[in-house]
Amino acid sequence: ETGVTQSPTHLIKTRGQQVTLRCSSQSGHNTVSWYQQALGQGPQFIFQYYREEENGRGNFPPRFSGLQFPNYSSELNVNALELDDSALYLCASSQAGGSYNEQFFGPGTRLTVL
Amino acid sequence: RKEVEQDPGPFNVPEGATVAFNCTYSNSASQSFFWYRQDCRKEPKLLMSVYSSGNEDGRFTAQLNRASQYISLLIRDSKLSDSATYLCVVNVGSARQLTFGSGTQLTVLP
Repeated sequence: ETGVTQSPTHLIKTRGQQVTLRCSSQSGHNTVSWYQQALGQGPQFIFQYYREEENGRGNFPPRFSGLQFPNYSSELNVNALELDDSALYLCASSQAGGSYNEQFFGPGTRLTVL
Repeated sequence: RKEVEQDPGPFNVPEGATVAFNCTYSNSASQSFFWYRQDCRKEPKLLMSVYSSGNEDGRFTAQLNRASQYISLLIRDSKLSDSATYLCVVNVGSARQLTFGSGTQLTVLP
């Protein structure tokens, strides 16, 4: 196990609703990245948080937002849910400043939008 | 054009076979390269990093050709437990944003 935890494991929402997903990073890691993985696709980078600030963002609309807390845990918020938001949401923690870029993934939250 | 492209698969091979996966990337500024493995309905896990000189880890060999922007993974003596989706991954610069291919599904048959 990587030590990265996510909650909830599964979630069902309807279009237009809002959702908050949570991630606890591995001990000693200060960076959290979020990815969206649609069925049959590889994970797509949403954004990354480092020292409580957004540190890079992928091609996702502003209704995808996030937070990082002083203990390095993080939240992903999605407003005005759309059917295409149905996916596995993965967070990954890493230690910024090291030369090795390995990111450790949590088990993911499977979001279904009806 | 996708930033990272992989063989579409699926690959169905018998136990003991050798199988090779190929991957190309479009951003010449890519600096780090990886193969991740993802089991069904699980999170991706790092299989191995890929270095310019090529590297081997047991039955697994990874190669990188920067001039051709091409990455490969060779699995020798396939085991049933190798059945998974293999994701080619690149990292550009210092952003630590990982860019994934769509993955290639491997099924090793008894």
